[in-house]
Amino acid sequence: EDQVTQSPEALRLQEGESSSLNCSYTVSGLRGLFWYRQDPGKGPEFLFTLYSAGEEKEKERLKATLTKKESFLHITAPKPEDSATYLCAVQAATGGYNKLIFGAGTRLAVHP
Amino acid sequence: NAGVMQNPRHLVRRRGQEARLRCSPMKGHSHVYWYRQLPEEGLKFMVYLQKENIIDESGMPKERFSAEFPKEGPSILRIQQVVRGDSAAYFCASSLAGDNEQFFGPGTRLTVL
Repeated sequence: EDQVTQSPEALRLQEGESSSLNCSYTVSGLRGLFWYRQDPGKGPEFLFTLYSAGEEKEKERLKATLTKKESFLHITAPKPEDSATYLCAVQAATGGYNKLIFGAGTRLAVHP
Repeated sequence: NAGVMQNPRHLVRRRGQEARLRCSPMKGHSHVYWYRQLPEEGLKFMVYLQKENIIDESGMPKERFSAEFPKEGPSILRIQQVVRGDSAAYFCASSLAGDNEQFFGPGTRLTVL
């Protein structure tokens, strides 16, 4: 069964304290891995798509990487406005058409 | 360019009533997806539609739930005879083509009393 597991469930950082969020996946052929950010009461906001092992994408303080079994979202020198829930999702190459399979998310809190 | 639009943003229904949730995709997008987010749970896929066609409804309960995306107008997710367990946030997403990024709307928060 296709599955996505994110860790940790929650993370508290001081402003400027860099860290990484993990997304482990089991999927019958990976078509794509997606990272989203979700603020309370809002819809997920698209961040990155990764398609193959070794691929990396960057946007401001965020960098996403991909291996054959997991993805990391690295946050460098975070600011309080980076506080949000970060969601990882995969799209399988077979059977499921285009649906996204989401992990439960990592709740990030960055304190000044 | 307006993003994905959903209405209403909040909907309150009593048990046994019907709920209709509407979604207008981003301009130029012809693929629509519905997801449900239960309290303290992750997003779960429900249904994938293209204009006038249901492509994948594997995540949608077979009873009481239906979805459509007509040639003209928004996509509609319809829940008949709502029960308390239907209380959740319902998100719509759209994409240009089947395997492109999906962009989400702000969601409709359904509360069943």
